[in-house]
Amino acid sequence: EVQLVQSGAEVKKPGESLRISCKGSGYTFPNYLISWVRQMPGKGLEWMGRIDPGDSYTDYSPSFQGHVTISVDKSISTAYLHWSSLKASDTAIYYCASRQYTGDWYWGQGTLVTVSS
Amino acid sequence: DIQMTQSPSSLSASVGDRVIITCQASQDITNYLNWYQQKPGKAPKLLIYDTSNLKTGVPSRFSGSGSGTDFTFTISSLQPEDIATYYCQQYDNLPYTFGQGTKLEIK
Repeated sequence: EVQLVQSGAEVKKPGESLRISCKGSGYTFPNYLISWVRQMPGKGLEWMGRIDPGDSYTDYSPSFQGHVTISVDKSISTAYLHWSSLKASDTAIYYCASRQYTGDWYWGQGTLVTVSS
Repeated sequence: DIQMTQSPSSLSASVGDRVIITCQASQDITNYLNWYQQKPGKAPKLLIYDTSNLKTGVPSRFSGSGSGTDFTFTISSLQPEDIATYYCQQYDNLPYTFGQGTKLEIK
């Protein structure tokens, strides 16, 4: 069974760094791209970017380029989303998602990030 | 970026009604369109992928159609458990983009 399991909720202060994770299982992890999606409180879904776990090649939405970094450690089937300096406006739920060979998309359960002084 | 114009933004319908949500892309996205259902506090749940393919386990009252720039999502007979927000998503061109969502309520 394909599963994406994300790390737990985080509470951080502005200016702090953070890395959240998304671990894939039940499929050949290096073969399928992983996307990250943001959902701000009470708002819709925004695609942030994606990574190819096979070669770590990334694509970013222009809206997020330079604000976050997507990385991967294929040896442990885990993708990451990293901030070097959080802002209050980064408060949101972040989801990882992966499209499989069937065309089906699988999503993680989401990670709530709260940034507050 | 491809703009996905989803309508209506909210909808109130009765149990048993046929519900239709549309999504229009600002350019041709072939058939690379998903439909999601999201309930409060939950992750989005994929219902339809590649425009018209029903995800395994999803009730057959949900369906999708369309091609190019115009797409339709239909619930043939609304059930109380269908109360949620629905989103379309294109994945033909980067950056992938979502519609703004349709909040569905029971009348």
